[in-house]
Amino acid sequence: AQSVTQLDSQVPVFEEAPVELRCNYSSSVSVYLFWYVQYPNQGLQLLLKYLSGSTLVESINGFEAEFNKSQTSFHLRKPSVHISDTAEYFCAVVIQGAQKLVFGQGTRLTINP
Amino acid sequence: DTAVSQTPKYLVTQMGNDKSIKCEQNLGHDTMYWYKQDSKKFLKIMFSYNNKELIINETVPNRFSPKSPDKAHLNLHINSLELGDSAVYFCASSGGTGGSPLHFGNGTRLTVT
Repeated sequence: AQSVTQLDSQVPVFEEAPVELRCNYSSSVSVYLFWYVQYPNQGLQLLLKYLSGSTLVESINGFEAEFNKSQTSFHLRKPSVHISDTAEYFCAVVIQGAQKLVFGQGTRLTINP
Repeated sequence: DTAVSQTPKYLVTQMGNDKSIKCEQNLGHDTMYWYKQDSKKFLKIMFSYNNKELIINETVPNRFSPKSPDKAHLNLHINSLELGDSAVYFCASSGGTGGSPLHFGNGTRLTVT
């Protein structure tokens, strides 16, 4: 079975600073990887995904994540954060061909002015 | 237009009662899910239906009974509610393959007193 570990439960950063949210996964077979964002009192929204091809994937609001198979990681990064990025971020993994999406524990990103 | 809608948004009830949460999606997706998010924000899959057929049933107490009258609807009925059932319940849908992202509703916050 697959599993996901988000190494930081909370990450506080200052506005316009860079940020990295770490995600490691465990699976004996090939997987698809996702990052979702949850703003307060809302459901989750897809931020970006890795299915195949280029290991660097980007979102429309400046986030990017890199799939590293040897380190079984899919860390999320942004070079300069905004107050509006304050949210809970979830890394998730699904085994290719399966439908059970497993989430990490979430990382709360707090942006300080 | 709301893609995945859940009702009610808030549900406060006493132990021992029976309650239902409704979910509808207008995305034409074949697969629908119920996830439970606990007070620590941890998300755990409960059930998944593909075209009205149950395909994932995690170790959920049998007091929880999902029902899918058609592929656009997946309702969750909970019997004999317990304090530990208090959580936010999210409905989601997807195109069905593992690489298809999930579209989430805004959640139903269930409080059992």
